[in-house]
Amino acid sequence: AQTVTQSQPEMSVQEAETVTLSCTYDTSESDYYLFWYKQPPSRQMILVIRQEAYKQQNATENRFSVNFQKAAKSFSLKISDSQLGDAAMYFCAYRSARGQGGSEKLVFGKGTKLTVNP
Amino acid sequence: DTGVSQDPRHKITKRGQNVTFRCDPISEHNRLYWYRQTLGQGPEFLTYFQNEAQLEKSRLLSDRFSAERPKGSFSTLEIQRTEQGDSAMYLCASSRTTAEAFFGQGTRLTVV
Repeated sequence: AQTVTQSQPEMSVQEAETVTLSCTYDTSESDYYLFWYKQPPSRQMILVIRQEAYKQQNATENRFSVNFQKAAKSFSLKISDSQLGDAAMYFCAYRSARGQGGSEKLVFGKGTKLTVNP
Repeated sequence: DTGVSQDPRHKITKRGQNVTFRCDPISEHNRLYWYRQTLGQGPEFLTYFQNEAQLEKSRLLSDRFSAERPKGSFSTLEIQRTEQGDSAMYLCASSRTTAEAFFGQGTRLTVV
């Protein structure tokens, strides 16, 4: 079974600075998706960024980028120019790719609480 | 279309009572998922539908839990004989493909 580990329960960053959230995962599959979701307090979970395992290029979405190291099974999220609105729980998640015979469920880590200081 | 809708947002029930939650997915999303999230944890998968077919159920889903998705549209999650350990946030998500899933705001269940 796949597992996702987020080793940083809490992180803090100064407004306008850069922060990196860590995520490692364990799988025997060769093709899969990795995601970072953001969950603000009392609000719904929203997708921040997605990475397909077959793509070598790291995904980027505006101020958010990932460092995907497939061999090391590592998938970190970098937030540049942090804003107060970035404060939230961040969850790393894994899903098997279609055709692998694996489940379509998302497997989540325990999350990292990000605080942004003004 | 404003996204995935869940009802109710909050539910307080006495131990032993039955509760039912509803999820309305984004239109044309054929995949629908239920997750449970307890405080300080990431969401845990409960069950998954593709159209009206329930394709996967977690071992977390005891016999007291049942989910349906009649006609492949909205879905309901029922918990019978609730226990205090059922207190959690119940999240629904939908997707059109195997790519990203879109989540609702969740139903927070408190069993007293």
